[in-house]
Amino acid sequence: AQTVTQSQPEMSVQEAETVTLSCTYDTSESNYYLFWYKQPPSRQMILVIRQEAYKQQNATENRFSVNFQKAAKSFSLKISDSQLGDTAMYFCALGQGSSNTGKLIFGQGTTLQVKP
Amino acid sequence: GAVVSQHPSWVICKSGTSVKIECRSLDFQATTMFWYRQFPKQSLMLMATSNEGSKATYEQGVEKDKFLINHASLTLSTLTVTSAHPEDSSFYICSADSGKGQPQHFGDGTRLSIL
Repeated sequence: AQTVTQSQPEMSVQEAETVTLSCTYDTSESNYYLFWYKQPPSRQMILVIRQEAYKQQNATENRFSVNFQKAAKSFSLKISDSQLGDTAMYFCALGQGSSNTGKLIFGQGTTLQVKP
Repeated sequence: GAVVSQHPSWVICKSGTSVKIECRSLDFQATTMFWYRQFPKQSLMLMATSNEGSKATYEQGVEKDKFLINHASLTLSTLTVTSAHPEDSSFYICSADSGKGQPQHFGDGTRLSIL
C-alpha cells in the first residue's frame, strides 16, 4: 500500500524566518512524483512544488525548496523568508504511477501559522 | 493557466434529497477527473477516479450507489450525492487531469451541508 505521513499537525514560525515541514512516504513504484500543496483558509488547493523521483536534484520554487531523500523516502519542504501569506495547511502528496498525472495520495496535513 | 470550475461552491439541503456537483475544465480537455472528500482540518480522501466515456473507479469503502459519478464529456464531470444525510456533509473537491504530463488542476471545492 502507498502511504504518506506528515508527523507535524501544527507548526508556527516568525515572519521572515525559515521553517521545514516533514513528510515521509512509502511506495513500491520505481518512479513516481511527489508534491506539496498549500490550502489557505479559502480551501483552494495550490500547488507549491513538485519533484520527480528519478531526478536527484532537489526542486526549488522561489522561497520554497525540498529535501528529497529517495532512499529514506523522505520529502521535506523548506520555506525561507516566511510571509504572513504562507499561513495555510500544507499537504504532501504522492502521485501514483510513472507520470505526472494519476491519483494522489495525501498526507494528513500540517497547519502552518506565520506570526508577525 | 488551466482553470477548473466547480459549482456550486456551497449548498444546503434537506436530508433525503439528492445534490449534484459539477466540475468543469474551462480551457483544456480533461481525460481524467478525480473526486475528493475533505472533513474539517483533515486530509483529502480520494473517492473516485472518473474517465471520460467510461464508468468511474471507486476507492474502497465508497458507495458507488450513493455517490454517482458521470463524466460524459472531456470538460465535465458530475458527482451526485443521492438521498443525502447529515453524515454526507463535507467539503468535496474535484481535480482535472489533461493527460499531458501536467499536474492536476483543482476546483475550488463545494461545501455541502445536509440538514
